[in-house]
Amino acid sequence: DSGVTQTPKHLITATGQRVTLRCSPRSGDLSVYWYQQSLDQGLQFLIQYYNGEERAKGNILERFSAQQFPDLHSELNLSSLELGDSALYFCASSVAGLRGAEAFFGQGTRLTVV
Amino acid sequence: EDKVVQSPLSLVVHEGDTVTLNCSYEVTNFRSLLWYKQEKKAPTFLFMLTSSGIEKKSGRLSSILDKKELSSILNITATQTGDSAIYLCAVEFLFEGGSEKLVFGKGTKLTVNP
Repeated sequence: DSGVTQTPKHLITATGQRVTLRCSPRSGDLSVYWYQQSLDQGLQFLIQYYNGEERAKGNILERFSAQQFPDLHSELNLSSLELGDSALYFCASSVAGLRGAEAFFGQGTRLTVV
Repeated sequence: EDKVVQSPLSLVVHEGDTVTLNCSYEVTNFRSLLWYKQEKKAPTFLFMLTSSGIEKKSGRLSSILDKKELSSILNITATQTGDSAIYLCAVEFLFEGGSEKLVFGKGTKLTVNP
């Protein structure tokens, strides 16, 4: 158990809908990262937050947004869902920013858009 | 475009064999290279490499970075069926505006048969 908690574990929703994925980082970790993993794209970095502020942005679509709250948990919002958004979404946390710090991954949320 | 390429994509060996997985990268402002093992769900951290030529070891696993060749290898000796997994390489680098970014390769799927 990495100490990073993601909910829900599975999510099935229809195209056009909006969902929210939640991540609780390890105790003491200030950085939260979101990744999308699909079969053909591999693991794609979406966005990073550090102590409540956006720190780095990757290949995140405009339909997606995220935030980190004062208690350091984070939410990833996916809207106007398309079939291609079906993927495994991981959250990871680390003590500091990316500077080579070891990131611990949650078990992921499997999103299926039908 | 910054990229990380892993080879081979897939590898099948017998227990006891030694394997070498490769990771090459093309990024500017390199910071570090990380190896992860992904079994059923969440990737788990193996090594972080920042200095060229220094070998990191953990049991039967070892890794070394060649900054001149922009590559890294992950060696697994005396493989066991429990080593079957996808091995991910990720490179951390400074992005525009001074923010850090982490890019993953697509992984090498290792299957160890008894």
